Amino acid sequence: SAVISQKPSRDICQRGTSLTIQCQVDSQVTMMFWYRQQPGQSLTLIATANQGSEATYESGFVIDKFPISRPNLTFSTLTVSNMSPEDSSIYLCSVGLEDEQFFGPGTRLTVL
Amino acid sequence: DAKTTQPPSMDCAEGRAANLPCNHSTISGNEYVYWYRQIHSQGPQYIIHGLKNNETNEMASLIITEDRKSSTLILPHATLRDTAVYYCIVRVGRASGSARQLTFGSGTQLTVLP
Repeated sequence: SAVISQKPSRDICQRGTSLTIQCQVDSQVTMMFWYRQQPGQSLTLIATANQGSEATYESGFVIDKFPISRPNLTFSTLTVSNMSPEDSSIYLCSVGLEDEQFFGPGTRLTVL
Repeated sequence: DAKTTQPPSMDCAEGRAANLPCNHSTISGNEYVYWYRQIHSQGPQYIIHGLKNNETNEMASLIITEDRKSSTLILPHATLRDTAVYYCIVRVGRASGSARQLTFGSGTQLTVLP
């Protein structure tokens, strides 16, 4: 199994600012995934992050808005840039190991 | 990945079996059925997965029909802590040669009643 931690667990931010979310895994993994869960909705994949290469973004998500770093096999960051109230969501990182996928506890972001 | 259809909500009495259905009529031969659940304000949690045979673990049982077009997740003795959104997801397994992300549908909100 994998244990995933995220920082911060929650934050309240002002419109126009940026927030960087950290994801730490207790084992080395090739791919990490970032998801967004808007209020009352299901999870939507933002991007897939490989160590040593640029992240692959899903339709509707762009690097300028959600830059991702993946400096090593146990760590990744997601930045939510130039935030607006529509960015208020829970952001979750996830890793795949064997046939299972493990999720972090999420970062609850509120943008005022 | 094949699309899945689940009822939006279900209730179950505490101590009784909870049977959560899922339709995946377009499933391909190399796609597995995965079940995850998300308890309020937590990240999704893996429950069980299977290809074509029924599977059982300490959390639940997974019954897949012979034609693989539908499945049922069974929680044998539901407790209040099983109240969560349950997601049925179909995707290729690890044998495909690459880690694959999960595509989440709307899921079923299971409420276990005292």
